[in-house]
Amino acid sequence: NAGVTQTPKFQVLKTGQSMTLQCAQDMNHNSMYWYRQDPGMGLRLIYYSASEGTTDKGEVPNGYNVSRLNKREFSLRLESAAPSQTSVYFCASSGTSSSYEQYFGPGTRLTVT
Amino acid sequence: SQKIEQNSEALNIQEGKTATLTCNYTNYSPAYLQWYRQDPGRGPVFLLLIRENEKEKRKERLKVTFDTTLKQSLFHITASQPADSATYLCALYILTGGGNKLTFGTGTQLKVEL
Repeated sequence: NAGVTQTPKFQVLKTGQSMTLQCAQDMNHNSMYWYRQDPGMGLRLIYYSASEGTTDKGEVPNGYNVSRLNKREFSLRLESAAPSQTSVYFCASSGTSSSYEQYFGPGTRLTVT
Repeated sequence: SQKIEQNSEALNIQEGKTATLTCNYTNYSPAYLQWYRQDPGRGPVFLLLIRENEKEKRKERLKVTFDTTLKQSLFHITASQPADSATYLCALYILTGGGNKLTFGTGTQLKVEL
């Protein structure tokens, strides 16, 4: 099992460009999440999807959109990138384990110039 | 406002000693508290969960305590090893009607020296 995979690993964008970060999990999990991690701020939830067909805003959703394409895949789109969106982005998933653990992908390091 | 606080300063300890990391929170009523480990350039990895009605949980060399009166969790690593060097994140698990979410602290970096 690959667990949670993310593409790309690194990306540099110019202000105003758009891009989509891809995430897939092979653990048959219902819930998927997108976080961003910035120095001194910790991990902050951008959007999450409790189940296929549903998405909800997290703590910092402005400037982002998401699509839960199917049970496996959850993508994050930046329509018009801004320097404030320079960050490391993590996708995670969770199932019905009694420990409610989340499984994280390796992250995408995004720089917006 | 709601806050989760972990010591932002790195904790340096000698190999073989017990490392103790602290997680304090305000204005939350979490159902569970989790601890994760994060290595540089990688995503966090789940370590332990403790429920609000549990005082202590152990897993191998790890021990977590949870005091809902003090609003504090302590994370202990006994007989620490250089391989334990990493950043440790605490996370509060909040049950909501629209989906259950984790809120993370900023993490504490642990360095175990020979």
